Amino acid sequence: SQKIEQNSEALNIQEGKTATLTCNYTNYSPAYLQWYRQDPGRGPVFLLLIRENEKEKRKERLKVTFDTTLKQSLFHITASQPADSATYLCALGGATNKLIFGTGTLLAVQP
Amino acid sequence: SAVISQKPSRDICQRGTSLTIQCQVDSQVTMMFWYRQQPGQSLTLIATANQGSEATYESGFVIDKFPISRPNLTFSTLTVSNMSPEDSSIYLCSVEGGGIPDTQYFGPGTRLTVL
Repeated sequence: SQKIEQNSEALNIQEGKTATLTCNYTNYSPAYLQWYRQDPGRGPVFLLLIRENEKEKRKERLKVTFDTTLKQSLFHITASQPADSATYLCALGGATNKLIFGTGTLLAVQP
Repeated sequence: SAVISQKPSRDICQRGTSLTIQCQVDSQVTMMFWYRQQPGQSLTLIATANQGSEATYESGFVIDKFPISRPNLTFSTLTVSNMSPEDSSIYLCSVEGGGIPDTQYFGPGTRLTVL
């Protein structure tokens, strides 16, 4: 069955450093991969989408890579800030418009 | 991006009762989705609701337990029937659309506790 794995443990980093979150998947060939941010008590908020034919996508301080050979995506937040502290979810999608979500990684940026 | 509201935001219910959750969107959308997020877990898709047709349920979810209505392009309801403590969860609706195809916009969620 399809499986998506994200760093199960919380990621603690110092303000100003680059946070790197990992999303690995098996038994799936997604057409695209997305990253969402979720704050406590709120619904996920879309951040970035990268398609299977793209290697890298950037948006302001965010960068996502997608390696379909390794079946892995890396999500980077540069110059991290305490306000970046949240749970980050990766999600895979294909032709059916349905998304399969990973378990999320809790990021804590210390001032 | 679409603005989505859900009612109620939270509720505490007794075992064996039912709760209907409403999802309202500020624009017309074709596809709406209902998810469940159990404590400490990620989102699991319950069903996809298109206006004018029956909802499509994912494996492990059935219409008798989670009936869905989709009367128009801006509104949907999810009912959690004959609840048990295992149904305690956050229920989220989402819509597809906006400037970037294939992305989803989520409501704030309904936190349900079943005693």
